Amino acid sequence: DSGVTQTPKHLITATGQRVTLRCSPRSGDLSVYWYQQSLDQGLQFLIQYYNGEERAKGNILERFSAQQFPDLHSELNLSSLELGDSALYFCASSGGPPETQYFGPGTRLLVL
Amino acid sequence: DAKTTQPTSMDCAEGRAANLPCNHSTISGNEYVYWYRQIHSQGPQYIIHGLKNNETNEMASLIITEDRKSSTLILPHATLRDTAVYYCIVRPSNTGKLIFGQGTTLQVKP
Repeated sequence: DSGVTQTPKHLITATGQRVTLRCSPRSGDLSVYWYQQSLDQGLQFLIQYYNGEERAKGNILERFSAQQFPDLHSELNLSSLELGDSALYFCASSGGPPETQYFGPGTRLLVL
Repeated sequence: DAKTTQPTSMDCAEGRAANLPCNHSTISGNEYVYWYRQIHSQGPQYIIHGLKNNETNEMASLIITEDRKSSTLILPHATLRDTAVYYCIVRPSNTGKLIFGQGTTLQVKP
């Protein structure tokens, strides 16, 4: 158990819909990272937050957005969902950018 | 744009040491070598990391060559539960994001 929690574990929705994925970092960790893992793209970095502020962006679509709240939990919002958004979404946390990241169990999203 | 090269797959007999190689010939002085593994579709699990010196923890040992252009992850006594995809990642010290390649699928056989 890494100490990072993600909800929900599974999510099934339809194209065009919007969903919110939630991540609670390890106690004391200020940085949160989001990654997407699809069959054809592998594990890809989406976005990083540090203490409530966006720190780095990766291959995140404009339809996707994220935020980190004062209690340090983070949410990833996916809108106008397409079939290709079906994937595993992982959250990771660390004490700060140079430190080791610990991953949560992931949310499996299926868009039908 | 992964900066590492790993074999696609490897087999190892249960109880034997598993030696997983990684090539990172373009590594810079401030970049760390990290190893993670992913069992089935679980979240990636941190194993070990290093900069220049060899490192050992309760899970594995990391051997980094003197020129830092390659490294080897050693699982001293592989078990069936070590079957997983192992990722070798080079990460600058001033950034957080991890760039995952395709990794090595390690199959531990009875």
